[in-house]
Amino acid sequence: ETGVTQTPRHLVMGMTNKKSLKCEQHLGHNAMYWYKQSAKKPLELMFVYSLEERVENNSVPSRFSPECPNSSHLFLHLHTLQPEDSALYLCASSQTDRREAFFGQGTRLTVV
Amino acid sequence: QKEVEQDPGPLSVPEGAIVSLNCTYSNSAFQYFMWYRQYSRKGPELLMYTYSSGNKEDGRFTAQVDKSSKYISLFIRDSQPSDSATYLCAMRAQKLVFGQGTRLTINP
Repeated sequence: ETGVTQTPRHLVMGMTNKKSLKCEQHLGHNAMYWYKQSAKKPLELMFVYSLEERVENNSVPSRFSPECPNSSHLFLHLHTLQPEDSALYLCASSQTDRREAFFGQGTRLTVV
Repeated sequence: QKEVEQDPGPLSVPEGAIVSLNCTYSNSAFQYFMWYRQYSRKGPELLMYTYSSGNKEDGRFTAQVDKSSKYISLFIRDSQPSDSATYLCAMRAQKLVFGQGTRLTINP
């Protein structure tokens, strides 16, 4: 498998549930990112990991918790989400944090 | 003022037309410029990547960067229905910043 792979592709969860999104990159990159894409809005950068260390957290609510156990894997742990958190969550990776990013297919999240 | 401005469209053109997509930006520190294509229910796919002012061509696609005007463009020649997608401009200084995306439809 090549590129950036995200699972699951679709997720429906209640506001009291806990779930996790998974991202895996097979490109040998050393930086990984979580973005949120809502309708009619630009991509919103949520978290950046460079060399497995979190280097950026863009005022994201604590109900979103990232984890980067190694340079190939990135998780986004979700708990007590709100309906307005429904969106497409995209994972991306790059060779360094200064180059173009390659995206996964995204997880379409619906909070009910 | 947003760092990157992109007309969200929608833009609808007939097959075979030349399409021009544009973004303006305010941060003169941006050095890397990218265009991504995003089909419905898919992640963005890197289409073009440029570093400096000037033109870069790849098949039917041409990316143009004018740093003096803080303006970038993507031209699509001989447009095809398969080019129908949302096109996002992106640029980087310290971090990658995206435009809102332009929704493009090519009508057969």
